[in-house]
Amino acid sequence: GENVEQHPSTLSVQEGDSAVIKCTYSDSASNYFPWYKQELGKRPQLIIDIRSNVGEKKDQRIAVTLNKTAKHFSLHITETQPEDSAVYFCAASMGRGNKLVFGAGTILRVKS
Amino acid sequence: KAGVTQTPRYLIKTRGQQVTLSCSPISGHRSVSWYQQTPGQGLQFLFEYFSETQRNKGNFPGRFSGRQFSNSRSEMNVSTLELGDSALYLCASSPRGGDGYTFGSGTRLTVV
Repeated sequence: GENVEQHPSTLSVQEGDSAVIKCTYSDSASNYFPWYKQELGKRPQLIIDIRSNVGEKKDQRIAVTLNKTAKHFSLHITETQPEDSAVYFCAASMGRGNKLVFGAGTILRVKS
Repeated sequence: KAGVTQTPRYLIKTRGQQVTLSCSPISGHRSVSWYQQTPGQGLQFLFEYFSETQRNKGNFPGRFSGRQFSNSRSEMNVSTLELGDSALYLCASSPRGGDGYTFGSGTRLTVV
């Protein structure tokens, strides 16, 4: 079936530490992998994305890595800050690329 | 430029009624997708429209339907509402579909 597994479901880190969230997808044809951040009561916001022809992408404190062979991708946040606290969702494109299948989400808490 | 606009923001309906939700995409975006977000099921894909054609559909009953107009605005309709339809309904627009999805703030539907 079409699914994306995301781990961990909750993650608590100290301010300044790194956070890593991992996702595994089922469809080998998936070629687009975005990450969204959703703060309480707000809309999901795209924070970084990667295409299947790229192994890694970085944007300031955020990076995403993709392993196509293993069908998994990860989000790395360095030097975490309290404002990084939110729910993070990974997703993979499926169904001819016109839909996103989301992971269940990770609640990230950054303790100051 | 204006983001994705969803109306109304909140709705309370009675079981058995029907409801129509509206989504205006970012100017120039021709793809509109709809998602249902619940605490238990996460973000679930409903359908995607491009140039007034439904290109992809999720695993929801036929009570859930949608359409897209020539100006790319989209509507979603749910008939014969059930208590389990209570959720946040999010729409996302993209230039062509496949990547770059921007979400609206959603419509919070409560069925009583």
